[in-house]
Amino acid sequence: DAGITQSPRYKITETGRQVTLMCHQTWSHSYMFWYRQDLGHGLRLIYYSAAADITDKGEVPDGYVVSRSKTENFPLTLESATRSQTSVYFCASARLAGAQDTQYFGPGTRLTVL
Amino acid sequence: RKEVEQDPGPFNVPEGATVAFNCTYSNSASQSFFWYRQDCRKEPKLLMSVYSSGNEDGRFTAQLNRASQYISLLIRDSKLSDSATYLCVVESTDKLIFGTGTRLQVFP
Repeated sequence: DAGITQSPRYKITETGRQVTLMCHQTWSHSYMFWYRQDLGHGLRLIYYSAAADITDKGEVPDGYVVSRSKTENFPLTLESATRSQTSVYFCASARLAGAQDTQYFGPGTRLTVL
Repeated sequence: RKEVEQDPGPFNVPEGATVAFNCTYSNSASQSFFWYRQDCRKEPKLLMSVYSSGNEDGRFTAQLNRASQYISLLIRDSKLSDSATYLCVVESTDKLIFGTGTRLQVFP
């Protein structure tokens, strides 16, 4: 079924480990986004990408790395996980930037860093 | 001050009630506004866009007051299935800024 998927859906890791969260969309949307959602903060933009090989920082990029070698994939890597990165991570995609098009969200990844 | 502020609720209302949520935003240059709905432990989904003239989609009405920089969402004839968190979203420098959400619980 076409759409946007994330994996894993749940992940428990330890402080200092590297973790990669995967995001895959089948719509050929140009734009992809990574958000984190925490109580009291709402959704905050981590990184976004306008096209393959084009990425840019969002509001809270520190501690995260992204890449986009293919249009359909946008992995997010925590190079050395910290407890403050325990959160729910949502990937989203859209045809156009900002408010010009609806952003469609994946089901989320719940990450716990011990 | 947060860019987008919402009353977190919860708003507990009986079926059939009318309920309204407000949201304020700080960037006067913002041009686009939305309401998203998020069910418990699920992803956000677009509920409706908010237009300057106000717009309606069935039981849902959204309004924008640019002078006071607030957005509202009115839900009439509430259903049990309306129970969710409603996120106010404002476009700012080509990105979407999400409020923390207002939780609605509709009871029988």
